[in-house]
Amino acid sequence: KNEVEQSPQNLTAQEGEFITINCSYSVGISALHWLQQHPGGGIVSLFMLSSGKKKHGRLIATINIQEKHSSLHITASHPRDSAVYICAVRPRTSQGGSEKLVFGKGTKLTVNP
Amino acid sequence: DAGITQSPRHKVTETGTPVTLRCHQTENHRYMYWYRQDPGHGLRLIHYSYGVKDTDKGEVSDGYSVSRSKTEDFLLTLESATSSQTSVYFCAISQGNYGYTFGSGTRLTVV
Repeated sequence: KNEVEQSPQNLTAQEGEFITINCSYSVGISALHWLQQHPGGGIVSLFMLSSGKKKHGRLIATINIQEKHSSLHITASHPRDSAVYICAVRPRTSQGGSEKLVFGKGTKLTVNP
Repeated sequence: DAGITQSPRHKVTETGTPVTLRCHQTENHRYMYWYRQDPGHGLRLIHYSYGVKDTDKGEVSDGYSVSRSKTEDFLLTLESATSSQTSVYFCAISQGNYGYTFGSGTRLTVV
């Protein structure tokens, strides 16, 4: 069982819809990352979270450390948001945080016009 | 944005040949990483470096070696390429509280 589970695996939405992607993890962490990968493209870091909530434009990321759960929300979705969204956690160690990120398998989002 | 360049972008090589992939950064970041990305597995860490000549293994390090003789360059070598090493390889750097920056990837095909 992967230490980082994302749901759903695939998500299709209509333009304008509110999108939620979930990430659950089983280890203690020092930080959680949300990444975006467009088809055939590189990987872009969207958020790094250790508590609470962050917002960039139409993207919002939240984390609940006690429940070991994070969500990525996209408001007013657009076809250009179509991408794979990847959750990754940095396990906590006695020295702070491990350099060995643990990745989810990604959620493929398709937003239709 | 941190400058990070991978080369080559694409490579086809024969089984048994050595292959070296290069990752170059322009901003003196201490931590550099090599990942591979495969369908059904997501991103997996091969090796990482925490300074010149300082490296450590990741979860899929067998068949790979790395070297970092300068802060700006992190090399990944497949000593004798196998078909199971066909993958997309990403280099990344850590920017501390600003997260990670990934290179554009190298698509390697071993035939």
